[in-house]
Parts: sequence; C-alpha cells; structure tokens
Amino acid sequence: GQQVMQIPQYQHVQEGEDFTTYCNSSTTLSNIQWYKQRPGGHPVFLIQLVKSGEVKKQKRLTFQFGEAKKNSSLHITATQTTDVGTYFCAGRGLTGGGNKLTFGTGTQLKVEL
Amino acid sequence: DAGVIQSPRHEVTEMGQEVTLRCKPISGHDYLFWYRQTMMRGLELLIYFNNNVPIDDSGMPEDRFSAKMPNASFSTLKIQPSEPRDSAVYFCASSPTGLNTIYFGEGSWLTVV
Repeated sequence: GQQVMQIPQYQHVQEGEDFTTYCNSSTTLSNIQWYKQRPGGHPVFLIQLVKSGEVKKQKRLTFQFGEAKKNSSLHITATQTTDVGTYFCAGRGLTGGGNKLTFGTGTQLKVEL
Repeated sequence: DAGVIQSPRHEVTEMGQEVTLRCKPISGHDYLFWYRQTMMRGLELLIYFNNNVPIDDSGMPEDRFSAKMPNASFSTLKIQPSEPRDSAVYFCASSPTGLNTIYFGEGSWLTVV
C-alpha cells in the first residue's frame, strides 16, 4: 500500500532559526495536504497542493510539491515558539484508494528560546 | 459553527470491557473518517464513510473493532473486547467532499489497563 515518510522525525531549533521537513511518497500523488498538530491537540489543516512543482506561501511558511508529485516540503523561516508542534503531510494516490488520505509519519518541531 | 464533536474525551477501561466512542460530524459534511494515533504507528485511517455508507474499512485492525454510521449526524466506533494495545487517541474527522480539507475532532484518549 501507499506509504508516506517524513524526515526528520524530530527537530530542535533555536527561536529565529529556519526549519524544513521533507515528505516522500512511495507512489505518485494526486495532491498533498499539510497539517499541524499542537501538543495534546488535533491535526489542523494548513494547505493543499495540487499541481506539479507548485509553491505556496503562508506568511513564514513555504510549501512545495515536487515535479514528480511524489515529494513535498514545508519550510518555516525564522521559527517562533508558536510554531511548536508536529507537522504532517498527507497524500492521496492517483489510482485506487478513493478518497483515502494517507498521513506521513510526522516531524515534531521544538523551538527553544 | 460547531466542529466535529467527539465523546468521551478521555476513557480508562479495563481489558476485556467494551468501549464505544462517539462522533458528530460537521453538519453538511458527506464524509466521515475514523483515525487512530499512537507513537509507534502514527496516524492510521481505520475506516471512512460516504453518505453514511462504509467505503473502506481496510484499516480496521481486527474483528474486535466495528464502526457504524446510522445517520448523517452520528457515528460510533466500538471495541469489544478491548485490549491494552488498543490504547491510543482516536480521532473522528469529517470532510465536505472527501477531496478537500479534513476537519478533525479533538479526539478520544483511550487507555486500556
């Protein structure tokens, strides 16, 4: 079945440093979504990417979908303590799976002052 | 507008007991998903419904798990009998079309002792 891996699993940064998490799928995706889960909370939708090579920005967050639509990345510029949480990518396959969204393994971000 | 509502928020039960988790999706959403989150396995899709009909239950771990959606505003996930390895956070989520954003409830934290 479809597998979605993320690296790194954990990342500790000093406030103000940049952060990047990478997402890789075993199969080509029709689209990819990103979610953020605060400690003790639930996943919250951030963005969806659909087109090959697509880049979207939300303030300090930059999301990219790979040309082959099998990988994606999330980059945070100048992290803040409010960025703490686990970031998940989630993808839908091109064939089969219907509306099944497979979540990545997640990257846990800790930001220290 | 109310989000996805889950109950109970926390449950501690003894091994062998029946556990029933409840979910009220966002009104007007045609898709309902049950996810399980553990440290070891991450976020796993257990089952999802479209217009109250189960579409994909391939993620249901074994016969001890069952899910129903008797109407558009209510779903249950039942574990009978429960085992310690079922301890996890169970999220219910809903989506208007199944292809867009998934809205998660706050989760039911289950501990089986």
